Parts: sequence; C-alpha cells; structure tokens
Amino acid sequence: DAGVIQSPRHEVTEMGQEVTLRCKPISGHDYLFWYRQTMMRGLELLIYFNNNVPIDDSGMPEDRFSAKMPNASFSTLKIQPSEPRDSAVYFCASSETGRSQPQHFGDGTRLSIL
Amino acid sequence: RKEVEQDPGPFNVPEGATVAFNCTYSNSASQSFFWYRQDCRKEPKLLMSVYSSGNEDGRFTAQLNRASQYISLLIRDSKLSDSATYLCVVPRGGGNNRKLIWGLGTSLAVNP
Repeated sequence: DAGVIQSPRHEVTEMGQEVTLRCKPISGHDYLFWYRQTMMRGLELLIYFNNNVPIDDSGMPEDRFSAKMPNASFSTLKIQPSEPRDSAVYFCASSETGRSQPQHFGDGTRLSIL
Repeated sequence: RKEVEQDPGPFNVPEGATVAFNCTYSNSASQSFFWYRQDCRKEPKLLMSVYSSGNEDGRFTAQLNRASQYISLLIRDSKLSDSATYLCVVPRGGGNNRKLIWGLGTSLAVNP
C-alpha cells in the first residue's frame, strides 16, 4: 500500500520566494496533518484537516503560511514570502477516524531558505 | 510546566542492556498516549499505543501512571537497530480534538 507521499523531498530557495509543499494522504484516511520539525522546537502541528475541512490552524505561524485541501487526495502548504527562519523539515501525516488511530507520516520536505 | 517533557539523553547503552525512558505530561484529561520512534533524518513511526495501565510488545513495554501523569518506555535486550530518538506523544484534549503534543524526544544509542 502506498504511504503518505510528499513532494518535493528537498527545496532550497532564496528569501522572499514562494514555496509550495505537496502531500497525498493515504487513501481512505480522513484526517490530514501538517507539521514542522526543528531541533529547538521539535515537532509542531501547523494545521489539520478533517474531510478536507481545516479544523485547527492555531499552529500556523503567521499570515505568510497558508494550507489548502481541495480534495481528499491532495493538500498543499504554501509559504509566501519565505524567510530564513522557515527553514525546517515539514511533514505531512494522515490518519483514519478514531482518536486512537496512529498518524502515518510522509518522508518530509527539507526546506532551506537562504 | 511543559505539556510534554522528556529527558533528551543521549542514553548510551551496550547491546543487551535494558533501558527505560520517562515522559511527564500536564493534561490530566488525556486518555491515550503514544510512543513514536524517529531514525536520523527519517519520519516518525508509531512504536506503541498506551491506553490503560500499560502495553507490551515483545521487548518493548509501555506503562502509564495517571496519578503521577507519566508514561514510561522500557526496552529489554536492546539491539543496535534500536538506536533512534523516541518521542512521547500526548493528545491535547478531549472531545474531537485530534491535536497531538509531541515531546522533544529521547535519544538512544546502542553500542556494540
């Protein structure tokens, strides 16, 4: 079975550029999560969706960050304009309904903003 | 008090040793808990779920102490392949809230 698929795996871009990260969740999973991981702060939840609807975006750092889920099989996280402090590993995860269901993570996108 | 706290380690142990990690949490309403494992430069993967007082899976045992609000992970007969970072994960709240709070992780290095 295909797992969570993220693209790109690596992104290096200059400050001020727009960055778009993509995620395809596991088929049948109705929850999708976007995380950011840094050494200092660990894994931080940015936003999560249930049935394509954003439920909690309180972790989105600021207006430069936006996320969409136009359908059950695709989501994007966009940063515009990007800043060096946005450099981190961004993970997408999905899970089935049920509070005890584990989250399955994609390989992550390593983002470097110069 | 942080929502989830772990000893960052690193724990350096020889093969075959028994090692235990503790994790404390602040939200007394949390019902289920998780231990995830993360290898270097990889994604987190579920190791164990913890619901009642504890759970055992082969060499791994997770225990929950609700009164003291801590979760432990015990690894027996450690292998080189157990070297990783172990993340303690606690749900934020009740109801339909699916937000998980992640500890910073405990680093384990098993040496030959």
